[in-house]
Amino acid sequence: QKEVEQNSGPLSVPEGAIASLNCTYSDRGSQSFFWYRQYSGKSPELIMSIYSNGDKEDGRFTAQLNKASQYVSLLIRDSQPSDSATYLCAVLSYGGSQGNLIFGKGTKLSVKP
Amino acid sequence: KAGVTQTPRYLIKTRGQQVTLSCSPISGHRSVSWYQQTPGQGLQFLFEYFSETQRNKGNFPGRFSGRQFSNSRSEMNVSTLELGDSALYLCASSLGKGWLNPPSFGQGTRLTVV
Repeated sequence: QKEVEQNSGPLSVPEGAIASLNCTYSDRGSQSFFWYRQYSGKSPELIMSIYSNGDKEDGRFTAQLNKASQYVSLLIRDSQPSDSATYLCAVLSYGGSQGNLIFGKGTKLSVKP
Repeated sequence: KAGVTQTPRYLIKTRGQQVTLSCSPISGHRSVSWYQQTPGQGLQFLFEYFSETQRNKGNFPGRFSGRQFSNSRSEMNVSTLELGDSALYLCASSLGKGWLNPPSFGQGTRLTVV
């Protein structure tokens, strides 16, 4: 059974701080990794994708991937109250198609003003 | 460009009834996948269609079925509804080729079974 694990939270950080969200996955053959943000009552929205080991930066967001440790993380710098949402880690396994992502249950982030 | 459109947005059904949900993908996207989201289980994959063929299927009972039409629009059907089927049903579309194009989600259909 392929699994993606995330701390459910809630993770609470003060405004302006760095929020660190973590994700581990069980399938060593996984090849694509995504972070989705989901506001309460809304659908998931893609915010980051990463495919190779190392860091990938996009604005205030940095995704980190370590395939040897089967670990993906998302850093949010200068956190804002508008970043308060549930963050979902999603993994595409080798041989899987784009439509068949395996999701973690999400980490709820709360940014306090 | 228009996003993924799901209809209806909200549904209330009675136990034992059946329901059909509809999804129109982003123009040019040939893959449509369906997910069920509940507070306890999170996002769970139901099935994926590509060019009118079911390409992958999750671990759900046969009461859950789907299809895709030649214009890539997709429908999902749940028969003999149970209380536990109450959930947010999300449709996502993608180009369907390679592994560099993640799916985009529609706004979902909130199904309540009473």
